[in-house]
Amino acid sequence: QKEVEQDPGPLSVPEGAIVSLNCTYSNSAFQYFMWYRQYSRKGPELLMYTYSSGNKEDGRFTAQVDKSSKYISLFIRDSQPSDSATYLCAKGGNFGNEKLTFGTGTRLTIIP
Amino acid sequence: DTGVSQNPRHKITKRGQNVTFRCDPISEHNRLYWYRQTLGQGPEFLTYFQNEAQLEKSRLLSDRFSAERPKGSFSTLEIQRTEQGDSAMYLCASRSRDSSEKLFFGSGTQLSVL
Repeated sequence: QKEVEQDPGPLSVPEGAIVSLNCTYSNSAFQYFMWYRQYSRKGPELLMYTYSSGNKEDGRFTAQVDKSSKYISLFIRDSQPSDSATYLCAKGGNFGNEKLTFGTGTRLTIIP
Repeated sequence: DTGVSQNPRHKITKRGQNVTFRCDPISEHNRLYWYRQTLGQGPEFLTYFQNEAQLEKSRLLSDRFSAERPKGSFSTLEIQRTEQGDSAMYLCASRSRDSSEKLFFGSGTQLSVL
């Protein structure tokens, strides 16, 4: 079993819809969680990070973490064509562990 | 551009040849990372430097791979005797010492081994 599981999609939604992207993880020894966005032929770009269970909002993006069920989500409101990209969830380990563990990424297309 | 810079952007090589990639991190970042990403997968950790010291290496980093950061600034990743399975995007990332979650990636070097 992979440490981080993510549905690879692809996922297509109409412009303006709410997008829900999800990951699950299997190891409880994680301190923080991140969502990255990756456009084609580009490196990942950090969107959001969070340390605790609950919701964190930044503009149209909301990151949600449920440590009891080991589930992390990213919601995108009022989705736009420029949101079309691959979204990667990632987890950081204990303090002193520098490695990030990524999911496979979900390819998202917003249809105008 | 003050982001993480990687060169070359693309490299095509024949099996058995050696290749070297370069990464220039954001200037004030003392931590530098190499990741590898294959099609349809997320990045996988390869190795990590704090200043010039290589502090962690993944089991993915076989003895054909070597990474250096001689002066604590730019880094190189060399692959000797390339194999077709080495074909991937090689990503470099950096961060400052007081920001564990803010990892900045470069655009990567796409390696194709024929």
